[in-house]
Amino acid sequence: GIQVEQSPPDLILQEGANSTLRCNFSDSVNNLQWFHQNPWGQLINLFYIPSGTKQNGRLSATTVATERYSLLYISSSQTTDSGVYFCAVPYGNKLVFGAGTILRVKS
Amino acid sequence: EAGVTQSPTHLIKTRGQQATLRCSPISGHTSVYWYQQALGLGLQFLLWYDEGEERNRGNFPPRFSGRQFPNYSSELNVNALELEDSALYLCASSLNYDGYTFGSGTRLTVV
Repeated sequence: GIQVEQSPPDLILQEGANSTLRCNFSDSVNNLQWFHQNPWGQLINLFYIPSGTKQNGRLSATTVATERYSLLYISSSQTTDSGVYFCAVPYGNKLVFGAGTILRVKS
Repeated sequence: EAGVTQSPTHLIKTRGQQATLRCSPISGHTSVYWYQQALGLGLQFLLWYDEGEERNRGNFPPRFSGRQFPNYSSELNVNALELEDSALYLCASSLNYDGYTFGSGTRLTVV
C-alpha cells in the first residue's frame, strides 16, 4: 500500500515564528488533504490540494504531485495553531494518513 | 450546510459491554468512513460504507461492525469491549471519494 510520511514529528515554535511541515507519499495520488487536529480531537480540514499552491490567511500549502510531496507553511504562528497536523491521501477507497506533526507554539 | 455530526460526544462502558456510535454525513454525501485514533497513535481506517453497503474494512476484528441506513447515516457497533478499544472514533463523509469532512468524534472509554 501507499506510505505517507510526515516531518518533523515534533516542532516547538515561539509565537510569531514561521514553519514548514512536509508530507511525502510513495505513490501517485489524485488528491491530498491537510488537517489540523485541535486539542479536543476535532479534525479540521485546512486544504484540499491535489497540486499547485493555495493560501488561506497565514497558512498556505503546496503540492508537487510529480515529486510526491506536499508542504504546509504556517507564518506568524499563534498559540491557537498548536495541535497535530496531518496530511492524508485517498488510496484504495479510503483516506490514508501520515503519522502527524505535533506543533507547540509558545507565547 | 450542516457538517458531519457524531453522537454521543463521550461514552463510558465496562469491559465486555457493547458500544454504539452514530454518525450523520453531510447532506448529499453517500459515503461514510469510520476511523479509530487510540491515545498517542495515528488514525486507523476501520470501515467504509457507501449506498448502504459495507465496501471496505480495515484490519480490525469482527467485533467491530456497523451499518448504513437509507438516509446515509451510519452506526458503528463494538461488541465485547476491551480496554484497548478506548479511543477517539472519528466519522467522515465524502462525495465521489474525493474530499473528506470529519465530525467531532466520539471519545469511548472502556473501564
